[in-house]
Amino acid sequence: GEDVEQSLFLSVREGDSSVINCTYTDSSSTYLYWYKQEPGAGLQLLTYIFSNMDMKQDQRLTVLLNKKDKHLSLRIADTQTGDSAIYFCAELLMNRDDKIIFGKGTRLHILP
Amino acid sequence: EAGVTQSPTHLIKTRGQQATLRCSPISGHTSVYWYQQALGLGLQFLLWYDEGEERNRGNFPPRFSGRQFPNYSSELNVNALELEDSALYLCASSLAGASADTQYFGPGTRLTVL
Repeated sequence: GEDVEQSLFLSVREGDSSVINCTYTDSSSTYLYWYKQEPGAGLQLLTYIFSNMDMKQDQRLTVLLNKKDKHLSLRIADTQTGDSAIYFCAELLMNRDDKIIFGKGTRLHILP
Repeated sequence: EAGVTQSPTHLIKTRGQQATLRCSPISGHTSVYWYQQALGLGLQFLLWYDEGEERNRGNFPPRFSGRQFPNYSSELNVNALELEDSALYLCASSLAGASADTQYFGPGTRLTVL
């Protein structure tokens, strides 16, 4: 089946690390994405990882992929108030006409 | 370089009317995607156009349609509007196909059906 799941809410104190988790069901996924949506704005691509990678780091962002468990996570180090947004996990299914499946999004709330 | 643009920003219609939403991709991108983001449902894939042709569509009724013009801009048409069509409609563009290049999203059009 085709399903991407993520928890709906996450609260983190400013300065701490945020970890947003995502699970997917289709093993044919090739690229996995993290998008950020701020209020009133469109989706912004944060980072992506190819399915043959385990980890990707980009400044404060670290993506971990466990392909065996079909688990993807996004870690944001030193979380700031500007990180407050909805984060979408998505997978690209190259065997399904390049279909992209999105999760419902995780709302990240930053506590002072 | 300009990003993906969409118009209008907001659109208010009544039930039964038709809505037309427009999207201009990033220069050089030939693929345009349409998504619906309804409250509580996350993003739902609607349509994918590439080189003027519809390549794929999501699980939406035929009253959701669109087209891509020779300059790669695109229109999304929603006929016989229903209340549940109220949503944020996002357009994204990428280079040909989606295999090696990711999608870049526009700011969206908020459609409200009264």
